[in-house]
Amino acid sequence: GAVVSQHPSRVICKSGTSVKIECRSLDFQATTMFWYRQFPKKSLMLMATSNEGSKATYEQGVEKDKFLINHASLTLSTLTVTSAHPEDSSFYICSAFDRGTYNEQFFGPGTRLTVL
Amino acid sequence: LAKTTQPISMDSYEGQEVNITCSHNNIATNDYITWYQQFPSQGPRFIIQGYKTKVTNEVASLFIPADRKSSTLSLPRVSLSDTAVYYCLVGDMWNKAAGNKLTFGGGTRVLVKP
Repeated sequence: GAVVSQHPSRVICKSGTSVKIECRSLDFQATTMFWYRQFPKKSLMLMATSNEGSKATYEQGVEKDKFLINHASLTLSTLTVTSAHPEDSSFYICSAFDRGTYNEQFFGPGTRLTVL
Repeated sequence: LAKTTQPISMDSYEGQEVNITCSHNNIATNDYITWYQQFPSQGPRFIIQGYKTKVTNEVASLFIPADRKSSTLSLPRVSLSDTAVYYCLVGDMWNKAAGNKLTFGGGTRVLVKP
């Protein structure tokens, strides 16, 4: 299967700062990337869908001004948590999908964000 | 919206077969059913995917009845390393950009005992 990486794997930041998380598809071109959020012992919650070269589509209840998503190339998408607060602390997971190549989405290893 | 329901947890013993059922009464015509395995602090890992009837690969089988309102993941002869959370996902990724939903189940915690 294809490989998706995320960076950083863990980040601790102070309240009010912004944090950027990168998601890369290493050996395939991802026309679509998904961003998920997962709280402890809970299921994955889809936050947004990003297609290369266009604006992300956010799920209901997700603040697009707080969670900025950029999918500038076929191998890179970024999620920026702006003005982070303790309630933004969570496990953020991206997945990548190439419609023309695979019929499944490949998940990254996740990023643990802790906001103090 | 194809809401999914799974058992919260399930215990088993090494060498046994584990069957996990996911209910998805409102599954849409274009939706596929995909199962993932997740270990703590890791991203989900693909196990198997199907649309109808039965699908088998080297690690699992997936049974989908004709009405597609449920699906059962079957893990043959589990080992201790199969202890994880298993999720079913119902949706149509190919049309996600059009606003269709991808719905994860709540996950089933499988504990394999020696």
